Amino acid sequence: DQQVKQNSPSLSVQEGRISILNCDYTNSMFDYFLWYKKYPAEGPTFLISISSIKDKNEDGRFTVFLNKSAKHLSLHIVPSQPGDSAVYFCAARDFGNEKLTFGTGTRLTIIP
Amino acid sequence: NAGVTQTPKFRVLKTGQSMTLLCAQDMNHEYMYWYRQDPGMGLRLIHYSVGEGTTAKGEVPDGYNVSRLKKQNFLLGLESAAPSQTSVYFCASTIEGRTQYFGPGTRLLVL
Repeated sequence: DQQVKQNSPSLSVQEGRISILNCDYTNSMFDYFLWYKKYPAEGPTFLISISSIKDKNEDGRFTVFLNKSAKHLSLHIVPSQPGDSAVYFCAARDFGNEKLTFGTGTRLTIIP
Repeated sequence: NAGVTQTPKFRVLKTGQSMTLLCAQDMNHEYMYWYRQDPGMGLRLIHYSVGEGTTAKGEVPDGYNVSRLKKQNFLLGLESAAPSQTSVYFCASTIEGRTQYFGPGTRLLVL
């Protein structure tokens, strides 16, 4: 049973436009959500996070939105740059749990 | 401050051989984790530790053992490697149980 789902394996976006990556979850006990970025042959790097008590968190070009009623998380990147080409994983933490559950990832390609 | 490091970076094993992967962190983090990444599967938790001397099973623990004798080190052992254990292994650590910081990965090929 996959509790965190990224239904789009890949996404291509023109440079300068907005990239929107989506993530759905099923566990209502998740209280903290994160996005990680991964380049080939490197480890995932933390990008941005959001607590379940918020519905938006912004950090420069990156904004994460949380819709608790729909159990949906999205990452907006604007404007998209070639260096944003990577695999993006969403992750969620169960309340009171030290573990994260990861989605399967979305490969974002920014077209110059 | 090196963060999270992993040794080795790449290894080829024959079926039935054993090996140990080493993860080290210099951030004084309490929690440490071992994941494997396979195509289309995302990151799956193998084992984790919430402090020195403690370990717990994750989502896919079979065929692996771990030890956390020192706070800064977390070892992942394969006693008898199988081709199904061909994967990329990532170690991560965190101080507060939320934002995890990852190492660069170990690529393992079991023939």
